[in-house]
Amino acid sequence: DQQVKQNSPSLSVQEGRISILNCDYTNSMFDYFLWYKKYPAEGPTFLISISSIKDKNEDGRFTVFLNKSAKHLSLHIVPSQPGDSAVYFCAASALTGANNLFFGTGTRLTVIP
Amino acid sequence: DVKVTQSSRYLVKRTGEKVFLECVQDMDHENMFWYRQDPGLGLRLIYFSYDVKMKEKGDIPEGYSVSREKKERFSLILESASTNQTSMYLCASSPPREGVDEQYFGPGTRLTVT
Repeated sequence: DQQVKQNSPSLSVQEGRISILNCDYTNSMFDYFLWYKKYPAEGPTFLISISSIKDKNEDGRFTVFLNKSAKHLSLHIVPSQPGDSAVYFCAASALTGANNLFFGTGTRLTVIP
Repeated sequence: DVKVTQSSRYLVKRTGEKVFLECVQDMDHENMFWYRQDPGLGLRLIYFSYDVKMKEKGDIPEGYSVSREKKERFSLILESASTNQTSMYLCASSPPREGVDEQYFGPGTRLTVT
C-alpha cells in the first residue's frame, strides 16, 4: 500500500509563475520529509527537506510546507524556470525506524517558456 | 562531492540470464540502497544494507539478491531475469542515521529483459 502519494502525475506552469507540487502521506510515524528532483537519464537529486517539528522550510526559490494534522506537504517553486522541468518525488522517513525512505510516485513538472 | 556510480547505463539481457548490477560510492557511507523506478509506481526499495555483509529486504525483494563484501560496493543480482524485471534500477548511499536521511543516487541502469 502506497504510504506516500502524489496524486498529480503532471503539472504545467508558465515561466515566472508559481509551481505547487503536493504530497500526502498516511503513516503518522513519518517525521522527516524530503523532495527530490529527477531529470531524464539521471538519478534523483536532493532538493529540500523538512522535519516534523517545523511547518515551513525555505531555500532560495524552493519552499516546503508541512501540515501534520492533514498529513500533507507541498513544494512551492517561485518563480518557476524552464530548468525546473523535471520529475519531482516526495519522500518520507520515520526517524525511529530504519534508515530508508518511502517515495511517492512523482509529479512531472513542465515549465513553459 | 558525493559520487555514486553504477556499472552500466543501459543493459539488455535475455530471460533466464543471471544479471549483476554494480554500484560504487566514494564517500565512505555505511548505508546503501537499491531501488527500481517504474512509471506510475515511483521508486520502490528492493534491498538495503547498513554495513558490510549486512542486508535487509525492502518492499519488493522477490527475484533479487544482493551482496556487500566491501563498504563502497553494493551489488544487485537477478538470479534468473524475467521480463517483469525490465525497469530503471537506482542505487543510493547515505551516511549513518543522525537525523538526516538524505540519500545520494547514482545515474541509474536501464535494464531491458527480452
